[in-house]
Amino acid sequence: EDKVVQSPLSLVVHEGDTVTLNCSYEVTNFRSLLWYKQEKKAPTFLFMLTSSGIEKKSGRLSSILDKKELSSILNITATQTGDSAIYLCAVEPFGIGGFGNEKLTFGTGTRLTIIP
Amino acid sequence: DGGITQSPKYLFRKEGQNVTLSCEQNLNHDAMYWYRQDPGQGLRLIYYSQIVNDFQKGDIAEGYSVSREKKESFPLTVTSAQKNPTAFYLCASGQGLIAFGHSPLHFGNGTRLTVT
Repeated sequence: EDKVVQSPLSLVVHEGDTVTLNCSYEVTNFRSLLWYKQEKKAPTFLFMLTSSGIEKKSGRLSSILDKKELSSILNITATQTGDSAIYLCAVEPFGIGGFGNEKLTFGTGTRLTIIP
Repeated sequence: DGGITQSPKYLFRKEGQNVTLSCEQNLNHDAMYWYRQDPGQGLRLIYYSQIVNDFQKGDIAEGYSVSREKKESFPLTVTSAQKNPTAFYLCASGQGLIAFGHSPLHFGNGTRLTVT
């Protein structure tokens, strides 16, 4: 059974701080790892990391995949109150015939709170 | 604009009643998914469908039923057999079985179901 563990479960920091969120996984036939941000309702996509794309960056957010350690980190620099959210990590295995099957396994998420 | 619409946003039901949650997408996606989100447990897959008129059980399908008569629609029925139905339900869609490239799931805004 595929498994994703995120840490910490919650984190409270002051605006301007840098944070690192962790995600470790066990998955049969790994295809991709995804990060989502969930503020109140719909999770919104942040990054997708694969064997051919192990590092992604967008503005103050960046993510790295460590296939050897079966883990990923999500870094947020110069945090802002708008970064307060639950950050979800998910993994996708390969399906039949080498296709991606989108049957994601999610972690419990990290609740990040930014204090002004 | 393309997207996923879930309705209603909030739903209250008495114990013992079946209830149906609506999910419609206009992204022309082949695959649709239902997740349940509980505090401290992340997202868990209830049912998914990768093509019209076909669907598969996820990890926690007991007490739920679905149908996929149209590509755009994937309603979820929470039956009286579901022991703990109170939760936040998220619908998602994606391209389904992907041979090349990667495409993340898109989520709706969710339905919060309360059963008393």
